[in-house]
Amino acid sequence: AQKVTQAQTEISVVEKEDVTLDCVYETRDTTYYLFWYKQPPSGELVFLIRRNSFDEQNEISGRYSWNFQKSTSSFNFTITASQVVDSAVYFCALTPGVDSNYQLIWGAGTKLIIKP
Amino acid sequence: ETGVTQSPTHLIKTRGQQVTLRCSSQSGHNTVSWYQQALGQGPQFIFQYYREEENGRGNFPPRFSGLQFPNYSSELNVNALELDDSALYLCASSGLTQETQYFGPGTRLLVL
Repeated sequence: AQKVTQAQTEISVVEKEDVTLDCVYETRDTTYYLFWYKQPPSGELVFLIRRNSFDEQNEISGRYSWNFQKSTSSFNFTITASQVVDSAVYFCALTPGVDSNYQLIWGAGTKLIIKP
Repeated sequence: ETGVTQSPTHLIKTRGQQVTLRCSSQSGHNTVSWYQQALGQGPQFIFQYYREEENGRGNFPPRFSGLQFPNYSSELNVNALELDDSALYLCASSGLTQETQYFGPGTRLLVL
């Protein structure tokens, strides 16, 4: 089965706190891609990161960091020193591989609320 | 800004009517994918077009159909609208590698 699970429906933190959004995936493919997208209230999905299954290096981009662990099928996203502008729904997604025509399989999303 | 545009931004239709949504892909991209996102849920894949041919389809009935034009822009057509078709419709374009999809702002469809 191809599936993405984001168990946290909603997270609320106070500004400047660190927050981690969890993502667990299932796929039978050995080659696949994982993504994180941000959806602010305006509705447009904003691409944040892509990671392929052969690259388990963690990545940091400013206040954002991603931890990819194939052993636990997880691709977690951490925001350090959160800001009010980080408030949005965050989606984790999976593209199972070439045969899937790069169709994106989405998690249900985690709504992140950053309080001032 | 992704360079992906969609029109219209909002639309109100009544049950049984037909609707056409439009998408212009990012320059250099030849693949367009369409997604339906119901309120409070993740997007669901409708179909993908690559070089004017349907290149994969999700679990949507035939009354959802599409087109891609030589300039790689695309249309999503929905016939015999139902109340459950009310959703945000998202278009995404991707390049030759088809690995990363960049999304437009979406069209919010309300069916009454």
